[in-house]
Amino acid sequence: TQLLEQSPQFLSIQEGENLTVYCNSSSVFSSLQWYRQEPGEGPVLLVTVVTGGEVKKLKRLTFQFGDARKDSSLHITAAQPGDTGLYLCAENFGNEKLTFGTGTRLTIIP
Amino acid sequence: GAVVSQHPSWVICKSGTSVKIECRSLDFQATTMFWYRQFPKQSLMLMATSNEGSKATYEQGVEKDKFLINHASLTLSTLTVTSAHPEDSSFYICSARDPVGTDTQYFGPGTRLTVL
Repeated sequence: TQLLEQSPQFLSIQEGENLTVYCNSSSVFSSLQWYRQEPGEGPVLLVTVVTGGEVKKLKRLTFQFGDARKDSSLHITAAQPGDTGLYLCAENFGNEKLTFGTGTRLTIIP
Repeated sequence: GAVVSQHPSWVICKSGTSVKIECRSLDFQATTMFWYRQFPKQSLMLMATSNEGSKATYEQGVEKDKFLINHASLTLSTLTVTSAHPEDSSFYICSARDPVGTDTQYFGPGTRLTVL
């Protein structure tokens, strides 16, 4: 079973700062997704990356897929309180099942 | 975007009773739905894959006789926690796969189960 480790586990920063969170795998990803989950709600898909080296931007969020497709990062510029949440990476093994990472709990302090 | 609903959003029950949770895809037909469990401050763990018209596929370590899954229609899957115990208290989340277009999974808002 592939293990998806995310780091850091917890991150608390001031509004306006930049941050990067990571997702690492013990083997090659087929495709990788990033989700954000707010308390008491289900996760919401942010992006899907498929190709090694791929970079995708979603407003202030930049997602990068490692060249070897074994790691991914999410960079947030000028963080805002609305960015607070649990960020989860997940792999789709191609058989529809998603395996979620350990998660990074992000808190943005106003 | 596609919407998936869950009912109830929260439930409190006594130990030994059974609880049924519904997952509905509101604007698309989902041949496959998934059930996840999330303990406090942890990630989502897949419990089972629910296929319309056939038996669910359970992940290793998940008791199929305890967590009964029924996917009776293309828009509804139910998870019944039988003989619930306090250790079953958790946040249960379903997702539904939209086979049209991008083949994306859409997640429900979750159901908070507390077993006393």
